[in-house]
Amino acid sequence: VQLVESGGGLVQPGKSLKLSCSASGFTFSSYGMHWIRQAPGKGLDWVAYISSSSGTVYADAVKGRFTISRDNAKNTLYLQLNSLKSEDTAIYYCARSFHGGYSWFAYWGQGTLVTVSS
Amino acid sequence: DVVMTQTPVSLPVSLGGQASISCRSSQSLVHSNGNTYLHWYLQKPGQSPQLLIYRVSNRFSGVPDRFSGSGSGTDFTLKISRVEPEDLGDYYCLQSTHFPNTFGAGTKLELK
Repeated sequence: VQLVESGGGLVQPGKSLKLSCSASGFTFSSYGMHWIRQAPGKGLDWVAYISSSSGTVYADAVKGRFTISRDNAKNTLYLQLNSLKSEDTAIYYCARSFHGGYSWFAYWGQGTLVTVSS
Repeated sequence: DVVMTQTPVSLPVSLGGQASISCRSSQSLVHSNGNTYLHWYLQKPGQSPQLLIYRVSNRFSGVPDRFSGSGSGTDFTLKISRVEPEDLGDYYCLQSTHFPNTFGAGTKLELK
């Protein structure tokens, strides 16, 4: 199993960014996928989940601003980040569910850093 | 949301020694299906977290038997025996019984 995130960078408050997570080594279309973030020097916070059939749920802190999506043909997971705030600054990790549905996180990518600052 | 409280915040250990980390939840983690969804992760310096233990006491693939998990209801423990250098880092508990998944704040395992 390999998960590789990309798309992070420096962005101004109020702007947008789209993260990608390329998956390999397993049948991507059969698993739910998550985004989790970690602010610099802080703990871990779950952000969003998408099921194998593209049902989605979000943490309250990002609901209405972030959108998780997937392209099973490209084995790729996405996170669209809109109306960014300074408190969204974090390393963003994608992770695969342990089994097919909403569950704990079995495999993690290396993360991509998003910095929100003017 | 379920609050996960880990203790201690920092745990100095000697190589070859034993470490014990506690995790308490603000409500029972027993699911209506009878399973308990409490898991443990290790984040080594500069790396992403890795799954060690799932559903209280099951070691994930490739995890050595020096790691063991126990507990029930709201109180859980991770034990590490014969601590090795590669065991150092931040340990997190995670509950996935109740939505949303929530983590403990972490325990830093460091050399004494």
